Amino acid sequence: GAVVSQHPSRVICKSGTSVKIECRSLDFQATTMFWYRQFPKQSLMLMATSNEGSKATYEQGVEKDKFLINHASLTLSTLTVTSAHPEDSSFYICSARGQYSVSQYFGPGTRLLVL
Amino acid sequence: GESVGLHLPTLSVQEGDNSIINCAYSNSASDYFIWYKQESGKGPQFIIDIRSNMDKRQGQRVTVLLNKTVKHLSLQIAATQPGDSAVYFCAENRGGSARQLTFGSGTQLTVLP
Repeated sequence: GAVVSQHPSRVICKSGTSVKIECRSLDFQATTMFWYRQFPKQSLMLMATSNEGSKATYEQGVEKDKFLINHASLTLSTLTVTSAHPEDSSFYICSARGQYSVSQYFGPGTRLLVL
Repeated sequence: GESVGLHLPTLSVQEGDNSIINCAYSNSASDYFIWYKQESGKGPQFIIDIRSNMDKRQGQRVTVLLNKTVKHLSLQIAATQPGDSAVYFCAENRGGSARQLTFGSGTQLTVLP
């Protein structure tokens, strides 16, 4: 149980385009989902926290207009990187947590390369 | 600011030996800690967790020790195997209703044949 999937697993895009990444909880209802970014050889950095049906809370330094998060259902959250640039190239990881759980379950990550 | 950090960025051990990975934290209000394993190109995988009202918890081949006095957390892996080679992160629950995690910088564990 507690499986989280992400799609796509890898994406290459041109600079200036937008990319959408999906995060799904497959066998539980995720009232809260988290989006992280991880650069090579570095730790996970929390970008934003989203609760189903409400606006995401962004960490300091993360542009909410650039990284659009939607958590429209209890099993799906999306992260859209708008007008992507090469410096946005990174490994994006989501996690999900149920309402009464303290544990976060992580997705497999999405590798984004912006050319 | 408060942070979670690791003492060593890399650790190499012989196959079959025990591994100990350390982590220091500075938020005395943290009530929950988790160890994750991350293999290259994959998401973090839960290993073991511990609440602040405990000082030791054991799993299958893994043990987590929590010393609240010195704000120190460790992960012990018994009889380390090649499949244990990965980056290990400790994470600290920030508290609050969202229960966000703060991750440490990670330790690269390499198991030598």
